[in-house]
Amino acid sequence: KQEVTQIPAALSVPEGENLVLNCSFTDSAIYNLQWFRQDPGKGLTSLLLIQSSQREQTSGRLNASLDKSSGRSTLYIAASQPGDSATYLCAVTGGFKTIFGAGTRLFVKA
Amino acid sequence: EADIYQTPRYLVIGTGKKITLECSQTMGHDKMYWYQQDPGMELHLIHYSYGVNSTEKGDLSSESTVSRIRTEHFPLTLESARPSHTSQYLCASSGQGAWGEKLFFGSGTQLSVL
Repeated sequence: KQEVTQIPAALSVPEGENLVLNCSFTDSAIYNLQWFRQDPGKGLTSLLLIQSSQREQTSGRLNASLDKSSGRSTLYIAASQPGDSATYLCAVTGGFKTIFGAGTRLFVKA
Repeated sequence: EADIYQTPRYLVIGTGKKITLECSQTMGHDKMYWYQQDPGMELHLIHYSYGVNSTEKGDLSSESTVSRIRTEHFPLTLESARPSHTSQYLCASSGQGAWGEKLFFGSGTQLSVL
């Protein structure tokens, strides 16, 4: 059974800092991995999707990497801003099911 | 950009009432999903559908039911609401195409059963 773990559970950083969020998964037979952002009481917004054959994806200040063999992904956020404050969720898809981690709650202080 | 809509946004209802949470998407996606999320917790899959007339139960046991009569519509029904059903319900869809099975989510329905 696929399990997804995210570390740290919460993170508080000053504005401008570069930071890394970690995601690990137990079953490497995945179709893709996605990183999402969730604001309080809202739905999820997809940030980056990495297909199983890819190693990384970039969008603006965000870079996500995937190492299937070790069951790990990282989300790198450059030059963090207060508007980046949210919960970041990692999700892996295998077959028709997508399994989510519990998320990392990020707070960026102005 | 893709669109997926959920109504109502918030719902407060008494125990024993029948409720239907609506979800519609305009992207022609074949796959649709319902997730349940308690505050600060991970999402749990409760139902999914491969396409019209296809529905499956997810990993989390749920007393709700779903139907998929049209590609764009995937409503979730609770026949008799209970306080234990209080949660946020998120609908999502995905399909083949330029987004590579990217998951799109609605804004969610926050359900409170008194």
